[in-house]
Amino acid sequence: GAVVSQHPSWVICKSGTSVKIECRSLDFQATTMFWYRQFPKQSLMLMATSNEGSKATYEQGVEKDKFLINHASLTLSTLTVTSAHPEDSSFYICSAPNRGDIEAFFGQGTRLTVV
Amino acid sequence: RKEVEQDPGPFNVPEGATVAFNCTYSNSASQSFFWYRQDCRKEPKLLMSVYSSGNEDGRFTAQLNRASQYISLLIRDSKLSDSATYLCMTNTGNQFYFGTGTSLTVIP
Repeated sequence: GAVVSQHPSWVICKSGTSVKIECRSLDFQATTMFWYRQFPKQSLMLMATSNEGSKATYEQGVEKDKFLINHASLTLSTLTVTSAHPEDSSFYICSAPNRGDIEAFFGQGTRLTVV
Repeated sequence: RKEVEQDPGPFNVPEGATVAFNCTYSNSASQSFFWYRQDCRKEPKLLMSVYSSGNEDGRFTAQLNRASQYISLLIRDSKLSDSATYLCMTNTGNQFYFGTGTSLTVIP
């Protein structure tokens, strides 16, 4: 089955630094990828939709200048958390629909801790 | 109104019990439907797709009611290993919408 690989699986960074998270579709091309954030004991919250070759679409309340998304190729989308603060500590997950846009496959998630 | 509404629970049931979860969706143009399972600190994993005619996989039964715009998941003979969060998902074009997830704990 289709596989989406997300890296890193966990990261600890200092407040004020930036962190880049990669999401790769390994055996299919994904023109669209989704980025979610999940706080402890809460549901997945869609942050933005990453579109290959064009600007990402951000959900209401998500700062596009803080969460930079780049989808430079059909198999790679990146999320950069800029000037991270402790309140950005969360579980970030990407997903990509398969070619038929029927089913979404998830990356393994990245647990970000900002200290 | 949210695209997908789901009772967050929690559901605490004894081993062997039958438990059912429902999700309602607002967009009648939704094309496909899924149930995902998420274990603590892990990514969601596909449990089963939901077909119009209903489908069954072992102890799990998924059903779709297009007229009332809801999907359901029934778990029979609950096992301790069924403890997890169950999320429903609908697909409309290339947009995917998740419910908030329902927490299930199966108690010995």
